[in-house]
Amino acid sequence: NAGVTQTPKFQVLKTGQSMTLQCAQDMNHEYMSWYRQDPGMGLRLIHYSVGAGITDQGEVPNGYNVSRSTTEDFPLRLLSAAPSQTSVYFCASTSLVGSAYNEQFFGPGTRLTVL
Amino acid sequence: AQKITQTQPGMFVQEKEAVTLDCTYDTSDPSYGLFWYKQPSSGEMIFLIYQGSYDQQNATEGRYSLNFQKARKSANLVISASQLGDSAMYFCAMREVRQFYGQNFVFGPGTRLSVLP
Repeated sequence: NAGVTQTPKFQVLKTGQSMTLQCAQDMNHEYMSWYRQDPGMGLRLIHYSVGAGITDQGEVPNGYNVSRSTTEDFPLRLLSAAPSQTSVYFCASTSLVGSAYNEQFFGPGTRLTVL
Repeated sequence: AQKITQTQPGMFVQEKEAVTLDCTYDTSDPSYGLFWYKQPSSGEMIFLIYQGSYDQQNATEGRYSLNFQKARKSANLVISASQLGDSAMYFCAMREVRQFYGQNFVFGPGTRLSVLP
């Protein structure tokens, strides 16, 4: 099992550019999520999905779009990059079976810089 | 209001000693899970230990144990016999389960642990 994979590992964008961060998992997890990590603020939830075709907003959704067409993939789109979106982005997945007792599995992260 | 509070931004501990990292949480849901993750300087998130809200006993995983005090809403991580490789950021997290598909996963701001030789 590859677990949760993310691409790219590093990305530099100019203000106003758009891009998609890719995330895939091979554990057949229903729940997938995107977080951003900024110094001193822990991880903040951007968007999440409980299954194909079902997505919802988290704590900091502005400037980001998601879709979930398959169980495996959950891409995060930056519509028009801003310097405030400079951050480390983590994708995570977990099973909904057994619920509260399942930890989230994290991808390796994408370090994004917006100039 | 903060759902997860970690009041120690940074901690130092001597190698081979035990250390406790504090975590308090806030929820009104009866069913929830508490988790600790380690993030070394390489950046990956490593799951360490969990505690379910209905678990009667404190969770243990090797050198890690979770001191769960439900009435005080605290879930402190205890690392015994610290090693240099334990130097990292540690995050406390809570998973709330409201209804079948209602999930809420929140993280604290983290504690940076430095183990001194």
